[in-house]
Amino acid sequence: GAVVSQHPSWVICKSGTSVKIECRSLDFQATTMFWYRQFPKQSLMLMATSNEGSKATYEQGVEKDKFLINHASLTLSTLTVTSAHPEDSSFYICSARDPGLAGVEQFFGPGTRLTVL
Amino acid sequence: GENVEQHPSTLSVQEGDSAVIKCTYSDSASNYFPWYKQELGKRPQLIIDIRSNVGEKKDQRIAVTLNKTAKHFSLHITETQPEDSAVYFCAASINTGFQKLVFGTGTRLLVSP
Repeated sequence: GAVVSQHPSWVICKSGTSVKIECRSLDFQATTMFWYRQFPKQSLMLMATSNEGSKATYEQGVEKDKFLINHASLTLSTLTVTSAHPEDSSFYICSARDPGLAGVEQFFGPGTRLTVL
Repeated sequence: GENVEQHPSTLSVQEGDSAVIKCTYSDSASNYFPWYKQELGKRPQLIIDIRSNVGEKKDQRIAVTLNKTAKHFSLHITETQPEDSAVYFCAASINTGFQKLVFGTGTRLLVSP
């Protein structure tokens, strides 16, 4: 149980285009999902907290107009990188908590590697 | 906000030796401390976690200790094996609100046969 998937697993795009990444909880409903960014040989940095039916909460320094988050259902959150540039190339990982489990463990998706040319 | 420091950044051991990774946190309200193992290009995998009402937890070759007073916690791996080679991250979370995780900077563990 508590499986989180992401799509796509990797994507290459041209500078200036937008890219959408999907995060799904497959066997549970997640009211809250988290989006992280991980640059090579660095740690996971929380970008934003995605809340079903409401606006996302962004961490300091993360541009909400550039990284659009939509959590339209209890099993799907999307991250859209708008007007992508080479410096946005990174490994994007989502996670979710299963509110049905009595704990705070976050279950991570497999990640999406974005390369912007 | 919470800040988590992790040491060392790299750790090389011989197979069979023990490995210890240490983390400190800044927010005394943090009460959940997971450890993750991440292989290259993969998702972080939870290997063990501990809550603030417990001082030590063990799962086979892996153990975690927590010192709330000093605000530090450590990961102990005994009888290391080459397949333990990976990057390990500690994290801290406050059990209120969104229960966000703040990650340490990571430790690259290399176990040589």
